[in-house]
Amino acid sequence: DAGITQSPRHKVTETGTPVTLRCHQTENHRYMYWYRQDPGHGLRLIHYSYGVKDTDKGEVSDGYSVSRSKTEDFLLTLESATSSQTSVYFCAISPPGSSSVRYFGPGTRLTVT
Amino acid sequence: EDKVVQSPLSLVVHEGDTVTLNCSYEVTNFRSLLWYKQEKKAPTFLFMLTSSGIEKKSGRLSSILDKKELSSILNITATQTGDSAIYLCAVARGSGGSNYKLTFGKGTLLTVNP
Repeated sequence: DAGITQSPRHKVTETGTPVTLRCHQTENHRYMYWYRQDPGHGLRLIHYSYGVKDTDKGEVSDGYSVSRSKTEDFLLTLESATSSQTSVYFCAISPPGSSSVRYFGPGTRLTVT
Repeated sequence: EDKVVQSPLSLVVHEGDTVTLNCSYEVTNFRSLLWYKQEKKAPTFLFMLTSSGIEKKSGRLSSILDKKELSSILNITATQTGDSAIYLCAVARGSGGSNYKLTFGKGTLLTVNP
């Protein structure tokens, strides 16, 4: 398994509170991604990073921000959580020379009440 | 808008059956098509296809891409209960030198009964 961990693995939070999810990789890969997975929608890209401090938006980026201060860590922040952000969040990486996502982290189940 | 459609949405078979899962796409600047298997956890990578007509195989699983028909199939022969999972298709688009963004289909839920 690729060395990707996510924390926390489960979180319940209240509407309006800030939440930060962490993705950590030990592979030293350049590209990292945050996806959310919802029934009926499949996996959708929130944000991705192509290097330290280099990030870009995906298709569902509203309400989310990201930061990458180190190669190994990619943080996803919900500035003010809403119930529509209840989802399973996956971090993913692309190994060098690969054009696309190859490895996913174990996921974080976030519930916003 | 990019679109990836998988069919069927769900499928129930008996052990030993052969199944064919379908994926069709409408994507600008097509780069590759990928298949993933998702059990009760994160998706795991199965295949990446870039050339039309070239079959990729891994054990009882195989996949082929038809760029003319904008589609791909994933075949599983002699199914086992351990093949029960959601199978995801995704298409990567992008031009040379850039990151390739994936658009995922909604998946096919395969249930293999003993």
